Amino acid sequence: AQSVTQLGSHVSVSEGALVLLRCNYSSSVPPYLFWYVQYPNQGLQLLLKYTTGATLVKGINGFEAEFKKSETSFHLTKPSAHMSDAAEYFCAVIKGGGNKLTFGTGTQLKVEL
Amino acid sequence: DAGVIQSPRHEVTEMGQEVTLRCKPISGHDYLFWYRQTMMRGLELLIYFNNNVPIDDSGMPEDRFSAKMPNASFSTLKIQPSEPRDSAVYFCASSSLGQVGGYTFGSGTRLTVV
Repeated sequence: AQSVTQLGSHVSVSEGALVLLRCNYSSSVPPYLFWYVQYPNQGLQLLLKYTTGATLVKGINGFEAEFKKSETSFHLTKPSAHMSDAAEYFCAVIKGGGNKLTFGTGTQLKVEL
Repeated sequence: DAGVIQSPRHEVTEMGQEVTLRCKPISGHDYLFWYRQTMMRGLELLIYFNNNVPIDDSGMPEDRFSAKMPNASFSTLKIQPSEPRDSAVYFCASSSLGQVGGYTFGSGTRLTVV
C-alpha cells in the first residue's frame, strides 16, 4: 500500500528564511506525488506534482520539490518565505492506481516577522 | 469557469435532522470526490465517482451517509439522521484522468450539528 508521512505538524520560519516541509512516502512502485496548499477557510489548491521525468519539480508561488527515490522523499522547499505563505500544506500520493489521492496529515506553516 | 461550487457554505442543524450537501463539478471533469476534514481525523475520502458511477465508497462512515451523482454536473451528499460527531468541513473536488491527481476543490461546507 502507498501512503505518505509528513514530519512535523507545525513549522515556524522567519520571513525571508528557507522553507522546508518534509514528506516521505512508502511505495513498492514509483508513485505519483503531490503537494497541496490550504489557506484559511478555503479548499485545497494544487502546488505541484511529480509523475515521471525530471525529479525536481517547480510549482506555483516559488515552491519546488525534489523526488528522491533513494530516500523515499518528496520534500517541499521555498528559498525565501513570505507572510502570504502561511497556510497548511498537504503531501499526497496516488494510491492503488487510477485517480484516487491519499493525503498526509498536513503541516501548518507559520511565517513570523 | 467558476470552479467547483458547493452549497451551502455553512449549515447548522439539530441532531436527528437530515442534511444535504450539494456540489457542482467543473464542466468536463469526469471524476468527483467527497472529502471530510476534521481536526482529529484530518482529510478523509468518503466516496468518489467516475463518469457518474460510484467507484469507491469505503470511506463512508456508516449507513447514515449516502451520495448520489444523477448527472455529470451535480452531486449530493446526504446525512440522515445527523449526529454531533458529523460536524466537520465537507469538501467536493473534481478532476479528469488527463490531470491525474490534479484536483480542483470547492470552498467546502462547514457543517455543525448541535
